[in-house]
Amino acid sequence: EAGVAQSPRYKIIEKRQSVAFWCNPISGHATLYWYQQILGQGPKLLIQFQNNGVVDDSQLPKDRFSAERLKGVDSTLKIQPAKLEDSAVYLCASSTQGFGFTEAFFGQGTRLTVV
Amino acid sequence: ELKVEQNPLFLSMQEGKNYTIYCNYSTTSDRLYWYRQDPGKSLESLFVLLSNGAVKQEGRLMASLDTKARLSTLHITAAVHDLSATYFCAVDEWSNYQLIWGAGTKLIIKP
Repeated sequence: EAGVAQSPRYKIIEKRQSVAFWCNPISGHATLYWYQQILGQGPKLLIQFQNNGVVDDSQLPKDRFSAERLKGVDSTLKIQPAKLEDSAVYLCASSTQGFGFTEAFFGQGTRLTVV
Repeated sequence: ELKVEQNPLFLSMQEGKNYTIYCNYSTTSDRLYWYRQDPGKSLESLFVLLSNGAVKQEGRLMASLDTKARLSTLHITAAVHDLSATYFCAVDEWSNYQLIWGAGTKLIIKP
């Protein structure tokens, strides 16, 4: 079974530039998450999709971050314009809906450096 | 608001020793997960604990869940260097399939 795919793996941009990350979840997984992980900290949920609808985006800085999940499969996360404090690893994860629990499977992440 | 606390946050130990990492959470839940993260890598699922008294073991790691005490433990037996990593626990919020994460325990095992 293929895992969660993310691209790119690394990205370096200057502040005020824009950047986009892509995620392809495990086939059949209805729930997709974007997390931000700053070095030395735990993952922080940015947005959670159930199929192509948003379940929770309460911690997404909506003035600069946006995300979409077209057709309930792939997802993109965009930052525009980037700030220095956005330097982090952006992790995509997916899980199945139902079965009574929420084991999430993570992609390799995109390491973003804003200079 | 569901909160998850891990302790210790940092642990340095010698090979061959035993130790326990604790994960406390603040509200009712009977679904808890342990993940491992190696430096520069993503998160790998280790254990899924789905009921009170659940115990799972894999090699030198054993995880347990006490839902009445709102406590999970990750026990390391006869530690080896390869177990050096950061370990996260996460608790399942019932209503929206959301995981609430602990801050992580950075474990360093010295040869």
